[in-house]
Amino acid sequence: DVKVTQSSRYLVKRTGEKVFLECVQDMDHENMFWYRQDPGLGLRLIYFSYDVKMKEKGDIPEGYSVSREKKERFSLILESASTNQTSMYLCASSFYRGPFGQFFGPGTRLTVL
Amino acid sequence: GENVEQHPSTLSVQEGDSAVIKCTYSDSASNYFPWYKQELGKRPQLIIDIRSNVGEKKDQRIAVTLNKTAKHFSLHITETQPEDSAVYFCVTGTASKLTFGTGTRLQVTL
Repeated sequence: DVKVTQSSRYLVKRTGEKVFLECVQDMDHENMFWYRQDPGLGLRLIYFSYDVKMKEKGDIPEGYSVSREKKERFSLILESASTNQTSMYLCASSFYRGPFGQFFGPGTRLTVL
Repeated sequence: GENVEQHPSTLSVQEGDSAVIKCTYSDSASNYFPWYKQELGKRPQLIIDIRSNVGEKKDQRIAVTLNKTAKHFSLHITETQPEDSAVYFCVTGTASKLTFGTGTRLQVTL
C-alpha cells in the first residue's frame, strides 16, 4: 500500500511566520505534488517535482516555495504566512511521470491568524 | 491553462437511485481523466480513470464516459448506497499535471 504522510494534521501560525509543511512517501515515487483545497475551488496545484532538487510551478505558486532534497520528501514553505494562506494543504505522489493517478496524504489544515 | 467545469455542485439522491456528475474541459491536450472521491475529513482517493483512447469504462456500480470531441466526461453511479456520500472531483491530466474540478457533494439519503 502506498503511504503518503504529512507532518501535521493541524497547524496554527501567526501572520509573518515562516511555515514548513513536510510530506513523505514510502513507495519510491518519482513525482510529488502540493495542492491547496478551499471550499468551492477544488484542489489547486501549487508546486510539483519530478526529481530530487527539481521543482516546477503549478497554477498558484505565489507566496510559496518548495524543497526536495531527498526523493521521498517534499517540503512546502510559506516564507511569510498571510491570512489568505489559511487552507487545507494536500501532498500527493505518483510513480510514473505523466498522466497517472496520484496518491494523497491526509492533509494539513493550516490556520494563519 | 486548463479549465475544468463540474456540475452539479451538490446532488441529493435516494438510496438505490442513480447519480450522474458531468464535467467539461478546455485543453485538447488532456488525455487522462481520473475521478477522485473524498469522504468527509479524509484524503481524496482515486476511484476510476479513463484514457483518451477509450470512450467508456465500467467498474461494478461506477462508469465513466468520455466524449473527447465535445470535451465532456461524466461519472455515473448506479444503485447508490449511503457509503457513496462524499465529494467527487473530476480531473483532467496531461503529460505534466492534473487539473481538478470544483467538486460535487453527493448525498445519498435513506
